[in-house]
Amino acid sequence: DVKVTQSSRYLVKRTGEKVFLECVQDMDHENMFWYRQDPGLGLRLIYFSYDVKMKEKGDIPEGYSVSREKKERFSLILESASTNQTSMYLCASSLLGRGNEQFFGPGTRLTVL
Amino acid sequence: ILNVEQSPQSLHVQEGDSTNFTCSFPSSNFYALHWYRWETAKSPEALFVMTLNGDEKKKGRISATLNTKEGYSYLYIKGSQPEDSATYLCAFWASGGSNYKLTFGKGTLLTVNP
Repeated sequence: DVKVTQSSRYLVKRTGEKVFLECVQDMDHENMFWYRQDPGLGLRLIYFSYDVKMKEKGDIPEGYSVSREKKERFSLILESASTNQTSMYLCASSLLGRGNEQFFGPGTRLTVL
Repeated sequence: ILNVEQSPQSLHVQEGDSTNFTCSFPSSNFYALHWYRWETAKSPEALFVMTLNGDEKKKGRISATLNTKEGYSYLYIKGSQPEDSATYLCAFWASGGSNYKLTFGKGTLLTVNP
């Protein structure tokens, strides 16, 4: 059974804290993605990685950074959390190339106070 | 910025009803269209990946059609069951440009009442 796991389902942090969201996939996928989901908006891409140590900005990268040191793990970092980063964060992975279905993790609901 | 529209935003049906909803996307530069089902407290799961104009795909009671020339896809659910309650997302993949970026619609929230 293929799996994408995320380190936390729920997380509460304070403004200014550095926050790490971890994602691990066991499918040997090359591509990994971080999205956020907010009410009334679709899934929006924050960052993407197609290989170890490679990363590309998505639509809304401001305030975020990422790390991919191993193929199976993709981390999203909030350098200094702010209240407008309160959201549902979803990680996904897929095979390399265009058009392949994405496999999603269960999401992390982050609240920044 | 690509525009992917889904309608309706939400839908309430009775168990046993058949229903359908729409995804509209740019008709130029089409590469693929994905449908995902996202149940509460679970991960979004792919239902269909569609690439050819006129494609029809089916999985149990759920089916989808694709018209790339006019830029729309329909998702049909026959004989809705409470377990079909979920948000249904469509996502558009354009040809050319970035080879990783899916553009998602905002989803249709389906509630099936027993």
